Amino acid sequence: EAGVAQSPRYKIIEKRQSVAFWCNPISGHATLYWYQQILGQGPKLLIQFQNNGVVDDSQLPKDRFSAERLKGVDSTLKIQPAKLEDSAVYLCASSLGTGFGEQFFGPGTRLTVL
Amino acid sequence: AQSVTQPDIHITVSEGASLELRCNYSYGATPYLFWYVQSPGQGLQLLLKYFSGDTLVQGIKGFEAEFKRSQSSFNLRKPSVHWSDAAEYFCAVAPMDSSYKLIFGSGTRLLVRP
Repeated sequence: EAGVAQSPRYKIIEKRQSVAFWCNPISGHATLYWYQQILGQGPKLLIQFQNNGVVDDSQLPKDRFSAERLKGVDSTLKIQPAKLEDSAVYLCASSLGTGFGEQFFGPGTRLTVL
Repeated sequence: AQSVTQPDIHITVSEGASLELRCNYSYGATPYLFWYVQSPGQGLQLLLKYFSGDTLVQGIKGFEAEFKRSQSSFNLRKPSVHWSDAAEYFCAVAPMDSSYKLIFGSGTRLLVRP
């Protein structure tokens, strides 16, 4: 079974530029999560989708971050414009059901904002 | 406020020695409890979880964890550490509400001496 795929794996941008990350969850998984992991900290949930609807985006900085999950499969997370403090690893995870289930994580995208 | 605390930022043990990583949580009710491991460049992998029942939980790779309600703790243990166990370990909780979201501690980095 293929795992959660993310791209790119690494990205370096200047502040005020925009960037987008892509996630392909495990086939058939209804729930998709985006986490931000700043160096030295644990992952923090940014947004949770159930199929293609948003369940929780309470910690998403909506003035600069946006995310979508078209057709309930792939998802993209965008930052526009980026700030220095956005430097982090962005992790995507998916789980099978719409209730509580094990979350499977992708390898992450490491973003460096200069 | 709800929180997850991993008091040890780094722990160094010799190969073959026993290991205990500490985790304490602060919630109104007992949440679901998890331990994840993150190896360099890898996504998070679930080691074990506690939902209810037997308070000693067995996981993968020879790990176990014990839930102690009176201490609000969920410590991870392994009787004999292998060099390949060197990684970052995260304790996480999920409140027993409808959010199903994971809240992570800040992690403990395990170093293994040959």
